[in-house]
This record gives sequence, structure tokens and C-alpha cells, in this order.
Amino acid sequence: AQSVAQPEDQVNVAEGNPLTVKCTYSVSGNPYLFWYVQYPNRGLQFLLKYITGDNLVKGSYGFEAEFNKSQTSFHLKKPSALVSDSALYFCAVRDERGSYIPTFGRGTSLIVHP
Amino acid sequence: NAGVTQTPKFQVLKTGQSMTLQCAQDMNHEYMSWYRQDPGMGLRLIHYSVGAGITDQGEVPNGYNVSRSTTEDFPLRLLSAAPSQTSVYFCASSKAPTNEKLFFGSGTQLSVL
Repeated sequence: AQSVAQPEDQVNVAEGNPLTVKCTYSVSGNPYLFWYVQYPNRGLQFLLKYITGDNLVKGSYGFEAEFNKSQTSFHLKKPSALVSDSALYFCAVRDERGSYIPTFGRGTSLIVHP
Repeated sequence: NAGVTQTPKFQVLKTGQSMTLQCAQDMNHEYMSWYRQDPGMGLRLIHYSVGAGITDQGEVPNGYNVSRSTTEDFPLRLLSAAPSQTSVYFCASSKAPTNEKLFFGSGTQLSVL
């Protein structure tokens, strides 16, 4: 079975400071990992994905994520937060050996204060 | 290029009424799916389709029907609406079932009174 956890319901950060949104996962085989962002009253938008290769994945809008196999984590990061980054962020996982359907986390609300 | 289009954006139903949520994509995607989003519960898969004429159940299929007569369209039918179906519904598609990037519609906010 595959599962994903986002341990923080909300993350608050000041504009200009680095941000981290946490995600941990559980799979039987190798993980395929994703981050999506949802702005108010909008659908989810794809940010980035990890399939294989370099542990640091770069995505849209200056975001990046670090894959850590030993800690089964895939945290989303950005060096300098913008107020416009305020949104709901979803982590998702798919087990390479299992169903092709991803499992989504519950989401983390990121609030960037001016 | 419109992407994934959902209609209506908002809907209010009375308990027991039926309705259809429409989803259309113009990207020639094989894979289409329906999710519901509830506070604190993330996204839960209702039904999905890997191609025209093929549908399957997701995590929470009860009370919903789907069909896929064309590649472009994937409507979601509520057979007899219940207050527990009050939610935001999203349609998503991807080029192939194993393609990793999902494209989402803008959602339908449904209230069942």
C-alpha cells in the first residue's frame, strides 16, 4: 500500500525567508513523488516531480524539493518566499510497483506574511 | 487551449435530487479522473477512466456514476444527492495512465441541502 503524510496543516513564514513544506511517504517499491499547488478557488497545478536521478528536483515558480530515501521524505523548499506563494500545497506519491493512481496528502496551507 | 473544463462552477441541490457534473478536456488525454476535496481530508478519488469505454472505481465511489463514451468527456452523475456529498469536485486528466503530470479543472462547488 502507498501512503503520504503532510504533518503540518499550516506553515507560516515571513516574505523573503526560506520556506519548507514537509512530506513523508510510505511505499513498497520505489516512489514516484509529486508536489501540486492550489490557489484559492482554483484547481491544482503541477509543481514538480521526482521519478529517479538527482535527489534535488527543481520545479515551477522557483520551488524545489529534496528526495531523501533514508528518511522517506520529499520536502518542498524555496529560498525566498513571496506573498504570492500563499496557497495550499499537496504532496502525492505513487508506488512504482503498485497502481498508477497517486495518493494525495491532506494538504498544507502556506501563509507568507508581508 | 482550454485544458480541463468543468461545469457548473457552483451548484445547490436538495436531498434526493440528481445531477451531472460535466468535465471535458481538449488535450487528447487517455486518463481522466474525478476527485472530491473536503477540509482536512485532501483529495479522494471517486472514479477514473483509462480510455473511452473503460471506467473503474476509486476510493469513494458510492453514490456516483461515470461513463466515458468519448475521449474528451467524463461526466460524473450524482444519482440521489445526500448532504454528505457536499464538497468541491475536481476533474483531472493526463496523457496516459502512467503519465505523472495531472491537469486539473477549476472545480465544482456542490452544496446539498
